[in-house]
Amino acid sequence: EVQLLESGGGLVQPGGSLRLSCAASGFTFRNYAMTWVRQAPGKGLEWVSSIDGTGIVTFYADSVKGRFTISSDSSKNTVFLLMNSLRAEDTAVYYCAKQSTVTKLHDYWGQGTLVTVSS
Amino acid sequence: QSALTQPRSVSGSPGQSVTISCTGTSSDVGGYNYVSWYQHHPGKAPKLMIYDVNKRPSGVPDRFSGSKSGNAASLTISGLQADDEADYFCSSYAGTYPYWVFGGGTKLTVL
Repeated sequence: EVQLLESGGGLVQPGGSLRLSCAASGFTFRNYAMTWVRQAPGKGLEWVSSIDGTGIVTFYADSVKGRFTISSDSSKNTVFLLMNSLRAEDTAVYYCAKQSTVTKLHDYWGQGTLVTVSS
Repeated sequence: QSALTQPRSVSGSPGQSVTISCTGTSSDVGGYNYVSWYQHHPGKAPKLMIYDVNKRPSGVPDRFSGSKSGNAASLTISGLQADDEADYFCSSYAGTYPYWVFGGGTKLTVL
């Protein structure tokens, strides 16, 4: 059974940093691209960043480019999102999602972790 | 403002059918047959219900169906059941940046 478990969320002051983790199980981690998606309070979902199965190719939304870094550790079956220079508008539930190889869409998601940026 | 437009809420009685729309552009929904629908109970992981416009993953009841016409996709749930009550959101591959776009979500209430 595929499972994705996010952790690392919490309350942080503007300008601070957090590192989110997404522990994956139930599939061969290095064969799949992974994505972070967020949902701010009262708003729709927003794609944040993706990383390919090799951990080498990465993509970022303009809203986080230069501040967030996605990475993965295949030995731990974990994808990370290091978030620096956090802003109030980064407040959201952050989800990790596994990209399907059958289609270009995401077939499994985690339950999300809440990040609150506030003083 | 979400990239894909969904109604905020829909409702139906048990046994009835409801349809949720998802409107995008020719750059996403209209340009690719990569539309997916997810069922999301708050606090839980979203569950894939439909992918590639109209395909169902194993284990998803055939009461759930998807379609697309032009820049709009739809999810139809027939034979409504109480545990269908949830939020539903759509997603589309967009080819280039931002690669994937999402709807704002629709709250389904089973009366």
